[in-house]
Amino acid sequence: EDQVTQSPEALRLQEGESSSLNCSYTVSGLRGLFWYRQDPGKGPEFLFTLYSAGEEKEKERLKATLTKKESFLHITAPKPEDSATYLCAVQADDTGRRALTFGSGTRLQVQP
Amino acid sequence: NAGVTQTPKFQVLKTGQSMTLQCAQDMNHNSMYWYRQDPGMGLRLIYYSASEGTTDKGEVPNGYNVSRLNKREFSLRLESAAPSQTSVYFCASNVGMNQPQHFGDGTRLSIL
Repeated sequence: EDQVTQSPEALRLQEGESSSLNCSYTVSGLRGLFWYRQDPGKGPEFLFTLYSAGEEKEKERLKATLTKKESFLHITAPKPEDSATYLCAVQADDTGRRALTFGSGTRLQVQP
Repeated sequence: NAGVTQTPKFQVLKTGQSMTLQCAQDMNHNSMYWYRQDPGMGLRLIYYSASEGTTDKGEVPNGYNVSRLNKREFSLRLESAAPSQTSVYFCASNVGMNQPQHFGDGTRLSIL
């Protein structure tokens, strides 16, 4: 059974204080790992897809990395507008399964 | 740029009532999905449609039915609502497997 565990559950940072969010996963062959951002009352917004260990993707203050067991979302010099819940999801390398398995998310609050 | 549109945004039902949640996408995506999101449990797949004319069960299909009306529209029906179905329901779509899914802003459903 595929599993995704995100840590910490909640994180409070001061503006400019860099940190990392963790996504540990267990999957029978990884087809892709996805990072999403979710604002209150909204649907998840796609950020990154990572397909293989060693891959990195960047967007503004966010950088996602992938190993064989976990992914990190690094946030450099965050701003209050980066406050949101960040979700990680994996898709297994099984042509019969199209579901994403999601973690419970990390709630990030960036204080000015 | 509408993307994925869900209606209604909010709904309150009594136990035993039925209703249909509507979802439409304007991105010409082949695959569509229905998820539910509950506190501390992450997003869980209810049903999906890999392409027009096909539907398959996800992780938590009991108590729900779906219809892929055409390539754009995918509806979720609760035949006899139960309090355990109180949740936020998200519709998503993508071009195909292992591609990012794009989400609507959800339907908040309360069943009394």
